[in-house]
Amino acid sequence: DAKTTQPPSMDCAEGRAANLPCNHSTISGNEYVYWYRQIHSQGPQYIIHGLKNNETNEMASLIITEDRKSSTLILPHATLRDTAVYYCIVNSGGGADGLTFGKGTHLIIQP
Amino acid sequence: DTAVSQTPKYLVTQMGNDKSIKCEQNLGHDTMYWYKQDSKKFLKIMFSYNNKELIINETVPNRFSPKSPDKAHLNLHINSLELGDSAVYFCASSQEGQLVYGYTFGSGTRLTVV
Repeated sequence: DAKTTQPPSMDCAEGRAANLPCNHSTISGNEYVYWYRQIHSQGPQYIIHGLKNNETNEMASLIITEDRKSSTLILPHATLRDTAVYYCIVNSGGGADGLTFGKGTHLIIQP
Repeated sequence: DTAVSQTPKYLVTQMGNDKSIKCEQNLGHDTMYWYKQDSKKFLKIMFSYNNKELIINETVPNRFSPKSPDKAHLNLHINSLELGDSAVYFCASSQEGQLVYGYTFGSGTRLTVV
C-alpha cells in the first residue's frame, strides 16, 4: 500500500467545517483513498472512500486532486463528537489485503 | 444487532497463560481480520481469513494463532502470554468487491498481561 502523510493534530471550532488534508504522492492507479476515524478507545469507523471523483455521503465529503496525489476530508459542521483520530489510507480495495494505518490526524473540536 | 462483536471486552491475565479472544460478524462478509493497537496507538494488521484460508500472516509470533470455525467467526488464540502482548486487539471484516461498505471493526478487546 502507498504511504500517506497527515498532520499529527488539528483544531477546529464547533459548528465550523473541518478540513483534514492527506498527501499520497505515490498512490497507484488502482488504489482507492479511504478515510476512517477512531474515537477514543473504540474501533475504527469507516467514513468515506473515493478513486478519482469527489465523493459525499451523510458523514463527510472527500475531495481528491486531479493528479490524485492528495485529498481532503471535509466535515461540514463539526461537533464535539467528531473529536477523534482520522486516518487516511490508500488501498487497492482487495478485501484480503487489510488496511495499513498510519499515525493519523488527531482532530480536536473546540466548543 | 452489533455487526462485529468481540468478547471479552477486557482481559487481565498473568504471564505464561493461554487465552482466547472471540470474534463474530453477522454481515455475511467473506474476510475477517485481527489488528493489534499497541500503547503508542499504532494499528497493525496481524491476520486475515478468507473462506477459512489464511491470507495474510504478518510477522507475528507463532504464539498467536487465528482459528475460524466458520465464515462468521475468527477467534484469536494466544499461548504463553508475555508482557509485550498487552494491547487492544480489534477484529474486523470486509466483503471483497463491495468497497462501498468499507471494513467494519469491532469495539476491541483490551488485553493486559501482568
